[in-house]
Amino acid sequence: DGGITQSPKYLFRKEGQNVTLSCEQNLNHDAMYWYRQDPGQGLRLIYYSQIVNDFQKGDIAEGYSVSREKKESFPLTVTSAQKNPTAFYLCALGTGRNTIYFGEGSWLTVV
Amino acid sequence: QKEVEQDPGPLSVPEGAIVSLNCTYSNSAFQYFMWYRQYSRKGPELLMYTYSSGNKEDGRFTAQVDKSSKYISLFIRDSQPSDSATYLCAMTENSGGYQKVTFGIGTKLQVIP
Repeated sequence: DGGITQSPKYLFRKEGQNVTLSCEQNLNHDAMYWYRQDPGQGLRLIYYSQIVNDFQKGDIAEGYSVSREKKESFPLTVTSAQKNPTAFYLCALGTGRNTIYFGEGSWLTVV
Repeated sequence: QKEVEQDPGPLSVPEGAIVSLNCTYSNSAFQYFMWYRQYSRKGPELLMYTYSSGNKEDGRFTAQVDKSSKYISLFIRDSQPSDSATYLCAMTENSGGYQKVTFGIGTKLQVIP
């Protein structure tokens, strides 16, 4: 929500290029997530991080990479190894009360 | 079988109608239940959050959980055109020390003026 900032909102990538999506938060939460949303498939977990310098693969991590060098930031890199990268990407925060809040999302299109 | 089943719709109702949105689940480890509303090309927004079986009301929205039947519902009273969106159910379990969230596919709702 207001404390989660994703950028850019729209991004175009040429095939074979890596691209990095930004996710920044100012709510001081530890847990951060990246999801991918495709029509008809719902939300699928790519990576999550519970603490700085630690992150775990989700259900569809192949072709993606992340880092968590600061508590406030959890960038996602879509690499050229991702076969079908065109999608809506959502960053989320875990509140510690068993709920998560989403950012506004980033639309990635491969051209 | 998916852990969470949700009818994708679309569901069309006239303005003022009562809307019922539902999800079923198979995983008994789910402890917390949420409903999100997602407008087109936007991130999901948390609407309701509940833990126990029973009803929870917030304005025009009521969330209902029946753990014995593994069934959750969201009711919208006096539906408005602004309620037109996709509604996602979500469920949380503790998995290896972190809260794993599983989402339904989402139900697309259209409220017709």
